[in-house]
Amino acid sequence: ETGVTQTPRHLVMGMTNKKSLKCEQHLGHNAMYWYKQSAKKPLELMFVYNFKEQTENNSVPSRFSPECPNSSHLFLHLHTLQPEDSALYLCASSLELAGGRYEQYFGPGTRLTVT
Amino acid sequence: QKEVEQDPGPLSVPEGAIVSLNCTYSNSAFQYFMWYRQYSRKGPELLMYTYSSGNKEDGRFTAQVDKSSKYISLFIRDSQPSDSATYLCAMSAIGGATNKLIFGTGTLLAVQP
Repeated sequence: ETGVTQTPRHLVMGMTNKKSLKCEQHLGHNAMYWYKQSAKKPLELMFVYNFKEQTENNSVPSRFSPECPNSSHLFLHLHTLQPEDSALYLCASSLELAGGRYEQYFGPGTRLTVT
Repeated sequence: QKEVEQDPGPLSVPEGAIVSLNCTYSNSAFQYFMWYRQYSRKGPELLMYTYSSGNKEDGRFTAQVDKSSKYISLFIRDSQPSDSATYLCAMSAIGGATNKLIFGTGTLLAVQP
């Protein structure tokens, strides 16, 4: 496996279900991100982890709960979601270096549908 | 005012045309500029990366940054049907505790054979 992988690729869940999205990066990066992509809207940054520490939470509802056990793996735990949470959820990673370089590399995304 | 503005299109061109995609921004602190290509039902793929002002060329693709006008462009020469995708601009400021990219909404490009 190379790059950034995400599972599952598609997920349909009811509003009372609990599910988790998984992301794994094989690039040796030290920062990982969760984004939400909805139609006609810019990518929305949800969470950022640098060296396993959460450094950003963009006012995301508590029904989304991230977990970063190490610098290669990132999870997004979902519970009691709403239909408006239906979107493409993208994971990304980057290599944080002193002095910058800010390219982020994305996974293929999980298409989530909440019924 | 949005930090980054991008015409959503759709933009339809014939094969072989030169394509110009643009973004404007309002934050003068932005120093890093990127273009991503996103095919339908896929994640964004990094296409071009530019630091500060100037041009960068990679094959049929040229990225331009004009910081004085707060305007960035991506040119595609000899466009191909395989270039049909959504193109996202993204940018970031120097420094800060996190690597925060600000994205445009994306421009949908269709290259007709």
